[in-house]
Parts: sequence; C-alpha cells; structure tokens
Amino acid sequence: QVQVVESGGGVVQPGGSLRLSCAASGFTLTSFGVHWVRQAPGKGLEWVAVLSHDENYKDYGDSVRGRFTISRDTSKDTLYLQLTSLRVEDTAVYYCARDVDLHFDLWGRGTLVTVSS
Amino acid sequence: EIVLTQSPGTLSLSPGERATLSCRASQSVSSAYLAWYQQKPGQAPRLLIYDTFNRATGTPDRFSGSGSGTDFTLTINGLEPEDFAVYYCQRYGNSLTWTFGQGTKVEIK
Repeated sequence: QVQVVESGGGVVQPGGSLRLSCAASGFTLTSFGVHWVRQAPGKGLEWVAVLSHDENYKDYGDSVRGRFTISRDTSKDTLYLQLTSLRVEDTAVYYCARDVDLHFDLWGRGTLVTVSS
Repeated sequence: EIVLTQSPGTLSLSPGERATLSCRASQSVSSAYLAWYQQKPGQAPRLLIYDTFNRATGTPDRFSGSGSGTDFTLTINGLEPEDFAVYYCQRYGNSLTWTFGQGTKVEIK
C-alpha cells in the first residue's frame, strides 16, 4: 500500500525541540521529493520544508528557516523534520506530502505538535 | 512572493447546485503550476486538480479547473453531500516555492 505515516508529535515547552518522522511505504524516497506542510488549529495550510529525491535541494518556509531541519534515512525510507527553538505559534498538525511534478499527490494523516508552557 | 487570495471565504449552497471557487494570484502564475486540494474535518488534504485543469486519480468529473495568468477557478457541477468541505488552491513556482490560498469552505445551506 502506497502511504506515508507521520509520528513524533507531542507537547513541548517553548524553546524546546522535537523530531518528527515520516515513514514511506509502497514507494522509495530516492524516487520522490517530500514536503512538510503544517496546519495550525482552525487555520489554513502552510508549506514548511522540502527535500528533493536526490537530496540536492532542500528549502524552508520563512517562518521556520534556521530553526527546522529536514533530512532522511534512505535505508529506512523515512523523512525527518527536526524542530528546534519552538514557539507557541509552531503549534499545528504537521503533514508529510509526496511531490509529483511539484504538486502533492499523497498525504499522511499528520502528527500534532503542541508548544505550550 | 506570490500571494493567493481565495474567494469567497464561505460558500453556502444546497446539494445539486453548482459551486464556483476563485483563486487569485498577486502575480501571473503559469497554468502548469496551480493545484486544488479538498480537506474534510479531521482529515488530511486530498489532491483534486493539478496543472490547473487535470483531475487527479479518483477525482469525479463533476470537478473541473480552469484559468490562467492571475485568475483560476474550481467548479463543482452538481454538489454531492461528500463535497461539502474546505478547498485550497496552491501555487508551485518555477522558483521552487509553494504557496497555499487561505481556503474556501463549501457548506450546506
């Protein structure tokens, strides 16, 4: 079954860190770029980060650049998002989404990150 | 940075009616780079339309996309009960940036 499954969310204090995972099955990350997209409670979608299939390209949204890091473990077909210096406004459901010709054809169910003291 | 503005914010319609959703870009967008997603409560977004016109696998033919330049439209002909949801447009740029509109909620009147 072709899918991506996110995990690693939880409650963290402001200034803290968290690592999210996105496990791919039914396809390999070496063939597709993958993105992280987040959605704050009751709000719209915000693009967060991308890692290309060959790892030659990675980029971040302005609101997370310098604080979040995207990476992957090819042997596990798993994508990661390291979140540091977390802020209350980072509270959101974080989705992993597969890139096909620059649009997102496959989404996971998301993992909730809550930043609160 | 290109900003996408969707209108209306909420569309109240009855089953069977036609829904017309607008997505306006602050700068001209290649028609190859505009997509529409549907999101139902508690669910992940789902790709409906890509490259302005093309229906994704599994998208019913009552959904159609159109537009060019700065103005794009998603049309739903004959709303079904399962179509009441929030819809987002998305631009993917040749400068490798990705931007979403703020969403249009289609609700039952």
